[in-house]
Amino acid sequence: KAGVTQTPRYLIKTRGQQVTLSCSPISGHRSVSWYQQTPGQGLQFLFEYFSETQRNKGNFPGRFSGRQFSNSRSEMNVSTLELGDSALYLCASSLGPAGETQYFGPGTRLLVL
Amino acid sequence: QKEVEQNSGPLSVPEGAIASLNCTYSDRGSQSFFWYRQYSGKSPELIMSIYSNGDKEDGRFTAQLNKASQYVSLLIRDSQPSDSATYLCAVNKAGGGNKLTFGTGTQLKVEL
Repeated sequence: KAGVTQTPRYLIKTRGQQVTLSCSPISGHRSVSWYQQTPGQGLQFLFEYFSETQRNKGNFPGRFSGRQFSNSRSEMNVSTLELGDSALYLCASSLGPAGETQYFGPGTRLLVL
Repeated sequence: QKEVEQNSGPLSVPEGAIASLNCTYSDRGSQSFFWYRQYSGKSPELIMSIYSNGDKEDGRFTAQLNKASQYVSLLIRDSQPSDSATYLCAVNKAGGGNKLTFGTGTQLKVEL
C-alpha cells in the first residue's frame, strides 16, 4: 500500500499570504489529523477530520483551517501568514477516529519570510 | 507540569547495548500510547503502540506500560548506529478521538 502523501513538500511564502497544503491518506484510511512541528514547541495537534467532519481542534488561531473531501483527502489552509507559522506541517492518517494508530506523511516544510 | 514528559537527552549508548527511553504522562484518562522514531529532517515513523499494562515486544523493541505509575517506556535491545534518532512518546486520551499529545522527544545516540 502506498503511504500518506503530502504536497507540496516545500513552500516559501511571505508574511500576509495564505497557503493550502494537501494530504492524501493511506488507501482505506478515513481519518486525517494535522500537526505542526517547530523546534520550540515540538509536535502540536492542529485538527482531525473523519467523514468530512472536523472532530477535534487544537489550540491554534482561526487562521488555521482545514477540510476533508469525500475521498478522505484533506487540505489545510493558513491565512495571513506570520513568521511564526514557519514549521513542518505533518499529516497523519488512521483507519478510524477512535484513538487508532496514526501513520505520518513526509510533511510539508513551510518557510514564511 | 507538561502533559507528556521525556528527558531530552542526548542518551548515549554503545553499539550492542540496551537503550532505555522513558516517558511520563499526567492524564489518568490516557488510553493509547505510541512510540515514534524521527530522524533529522524526516517525519515521525511508528515504532510501537501499546494499550494495556505490561510489556509488548516487537523484534528488538519492547514497550512497557504502567498506568498506575503513569509511565511508558521503550527498550531497544542490541542498539545499532541506525537507531540514532529522536524518539517521541505520544499519548491519546479516552474520548479524544485521534488527538495525540507528544513529548518533546529523547535524542538517542548509538556510538560505535
